[in-house]
Amino acid sequence: GEDVEQSLFLSVREGDSSVINCTYTDSSSTYLYWYKQEPGAGLQLLTYIFSNMDMKQDQRLTVLLNKKDKHLSLRIADTQTGDSAIYFCAVEAGNNRKLIWGLGTSLAVNP
Amino acid sequence: EAGVAQSPRYKIIEKRQSVAFWCNPISGHATLYWYQQILGQGPKLLIQFQNNGVVDDSQLPKDRFSAERLKGVDSTLKIQPAKLEDSAVYLCASSFSEGHEQFFGPGTRLTVL
Repeated sequence: GEDVEQSLFLSVREGDSSVINCTYTDSSSTYLYWYKQEPGAGLQLLTYIFSNMDMKQDQRLTVLLNKKDKHLSLRIADTQTGDSAIYFCAVEAGNNRKLIWGLGTSLAVNP
Repeated sequence: EAGVAQSPRYKIIEKRQSVAFWCNPISGHATLYWYQQILGQGPKLLIQFQNNGVVDDSQLPKDRFSAERLKGVDSTLKIQPAKLEDSAVYLCASSFSEGHEQFFGPGTRLTVL
């Protein structure tokens, strides 16, 4: 079946860039999403990219999509302590456009 | 614009008891989702409604879980009887329609003792 994989942990220093990676298996995916989850909170949609794009930039966030390799990344520029959270990659798959979720990458930002 | 509302935020019950969760989606959103998120995992879709009809309940354990959205707005998710492995955060999300971006509520954290 469809699968989404992410590395589980990432630690960066405040002010550095963070890059969170995601790979997926369903080549027919149309929309690919990044969600952020802070402790005790629900999921917040950060950004998304349509499958006919290879890059999308939104302020400090840059999403890169490599459809050939089925690889999605989220770059956060000038990472701040407030960016510490779990970041989930989610990919639309199948005819019913169900979201397939990764396990999440826990980002720790050190002062 | 008000977000997705859920209640209660926390619930602690003993195994074999019953529990119900409530969700009020964003006004005008036709599609409503219930997810189960076990600690350390991504969300798992339990059931998806389009208005008051069920679109997908393939991963809902129907022997103990039930959900309804009678008037196509609010929804309730019930577990009866609860098991220890049901301890999780139950997330409700809504979207304008199927395939549109999903907006999540804060979730209900359930602990089954």
